[in-house]
Amino acid sequence: AQSVAQPEDQVNVAEGNPLTVKCTYSVSGNPYLFWYVQYPNRGLQFLLKYITGDNLVKGSYGFEAEFNKSQTSFHLKKPSALVSDSALYFCAVRIRSGGSYIPTFGRGTSLIVHP
Amino acid sequence: DADVTQTPRNRITKTGKRIMLECSQTKGHDRMYWYRQDPGLGLRLIYYSFDVKDINKGEISDGYSVSRQAQAKFSLSLESAIPNQTALYFCATSDASAGRVGTDTQYFGPGTRLTVL
Repeated sequence: AQSVAQPEDQVNVAEGNPLTVKCTYSVSGNPYLFWYVQYPNRGLQFLLKYITGDNLVKGSYGFEAEFNKSQTSFHLKKPSALVSDSALYFCAVRIRSGGSYIPTFGRGTSLIVHP
Repeated sequence: DADVTQTPRNRITKTGKRIMLECSQTKGHDRMYWYRQDPGLGLRLIYYSFDVKDINKGEISDGYSVSRQAQAKFSLSLESAIPNQTALYFCATSDASAGRVGTDTQYFGPGTRLTVL
């Protein structure tokens, strides 16, 4: 079955430390992978995507993600966390549905950055 | 987010009432989507539309219907609301024509918080 999983409901990190938010996927064919962020009382905002090419993708607000085909993972990373990075993060993947592709989202990971 | 607007932003209704949530976009995208967000369940796709004449059911379409009135407008209806439809509802758009291979990056509205009593 095609799916995306975020194994951690919550990630806690101290400000200034590196952060990682995990995502794994299961799709047929080449994956199109996305990360979105949701700040309180806001809609989701696009952070970055992997379609093809370099396995390290850079995105908004200093975030990056590493595509690992052998581990079917697409973990979100940032070298130095900020308190303002505290938010809900969603990984998404395009899956095939009938003759089309549609997005499917993970359950989300709450990132809490402590001062 | 301002390119995708949703009305109302908050709504409280009673069981059995019909309610419509509206979405408008100025991004010029062909594709529009309705999701619901529940704590611990992430976003789940209710319906999606790839153009005005193309409507498709998503993962959780039971109890919902949609109408694509124009390229820019996509409304979601709850014919007879029930309490377990209490959730945060998001509209989103995407442009599958971006580049030679559409990537379907999603652009979200601000959400509608619906409470069914």
